Amino acid sequence: DAGVIQSPRHEVTEMGQEVTLRCKPISGHNSLFWYRQTMMRGLELLIYFNNNVPIDDSGMPEDRFSAKMPNASFSTLKIQPSEPRDSAVYFCASSLHNTEAFFGQGTRLTVV
Amino acid sequence: AQRVTQPEKLLSVFKGAPVELKCNYSYSGSPELFWYVQYSRQRLQLLLRHISRESIKGFTADLNKGETSFHLKKPFAQEEDSAMYYCALGQGFQKLVFGTGTRLLVSP
Repeated sequence: DAGVIQSPRHEVTEMGQEVTLRCKPISGHNSLFWYRQTMMRGLELLIYFNNNVPIDDSGMPEDRFSAKMPNASFSTLKIQPSEPRDSAVYFCASSLHNTEAFFGQGTRLTVV
Repeated sequence: AQRVTQPEKLLSVFKGAPVELKCNYSYSGSPELFWYVQYSRQRLQLLLRHISRESIKGFTADLNKGETSFHLKKPFAQEEDSAMYYCALGQGFQKLVFGTGTRLLVSP
């Protein structure tokens, strides 16, 4: 297994544009997490899913952010419209039944 | 509320010196504590978990409930230990709360 796969690795977009980040969890894992990493705040949990169902989205900063998990092998995190303060590295992670969470390599988002 | 504090953004030591990366937490229940590591250009990965009480790559961490700390220690640092280290708290692996991280730089 290639591990958790995120795309794109890098994204540069203009303020106001829609951004979609993608994640493919490890096959068979039933939990999926989206984190945001910044210098100031470190790693923050945005939302996590269990068996494709969103369990806790209290970390989603505002309505501009939304996440979906249409099936067990795919999730998206969308920002619309994007703002410069959204610039960060976004990580996806997956786990099986509360065992170790495996992280993807992250998507570095720059909003100019 | 759950909170993890890593007071040092950067810790710089020489090869062979002892290392201690500090982590303090606040949590009302029984915490589960973890250390994650991110080497340059690699993904974040679990280093150790307090429940397992293991030593990984020479690192150990002891949970001190009295001091609400989970400091990461290694008696003799190696250059390959240079990385970003995150302390995390949670229930199992759901809703992990991370600290802001400490960058460890080991110089030859």
